[in-house]
Amino acid sequence: DVKVTQSSRYLVKRTGEKVFLECVQDMDHENMFWYRQDPGLGLRLIYFSYDVKMKEKGDIPEGYSVSREKKERFSLILESASTNQTSMYLCASTEERTSTDTQYFGPGTRLTVL
Amino acid sequence: TQLLEQSPQFLSIQEGENLTVYCNSSSVFSSLQWYRQEPGEGPVLLVTVVTGGEVKKLKRLTFQFGDARKDSSLHITAAQPGDTGLYLCAGGGGTASKLTFGTGTRLQVTL
Repeated sequence: DVKVTQSSRYLVKRTGEKVFLECVQDMDHENMFWYRQDPGLGLRLIYFSYDVKMKEKGDIPEGYSVSREKKERFSLILESASTNQTSMYLCASTEERTSTDTQYFGPGTRLTVL
Repeated sequence: TQLLEQSPQFLSIQEGENLTVYCNSSSVFSSLQWYRQEPGEGPVLLVTVVTGGEVKKLKRLTFQFGDARKDSSLHITAAQPGDTGLYLCAGGGGTASKLTFGTGTRLQVTL
């Protein structure tokens, strides 16, 4: 069964802290994505990756960076957390590099920045 | 930037009622997906449509892609409490596998 896991369901951090959000998929998918979800705004793409050590900016990359050292793991990094980064963060993966392929999502990490 | 607006934003109905959710854009998409997200979980794919005018049915759910591929609708017949969740449309067609998600419709079905 397809599975995408995220390191934490809930996280509380202070302004200025460095925050790491981890995502692991067990499907040998090449494509991985990080989104943030806010009420009334749907899901917005932060970064995505088509291969190990490869990354591309999404629609809202400012204040974030990513790391993909292994195929199954895609990390989202907040270099210096700010209160406007309080949100739900969702990781997803796909097998094919097409927009018709299924995106498999993790359960999300709800991050609160105080 | 492509935008997908969904309406209504919230919908609270009783079991057995019918409803329609709309997903609209000024941009053309090559494909359109619908996802449902339940509390505490990530979105799960319901359907993918790729042809203008295409209609797909999934039990009591009917999905339609607009002729011009700028809009889509989701119709639920005889809603049940298990249909409760956040419904998200997502358009594709730009960078391969990159999706533009809609603003979401939160549906609550009560007994």
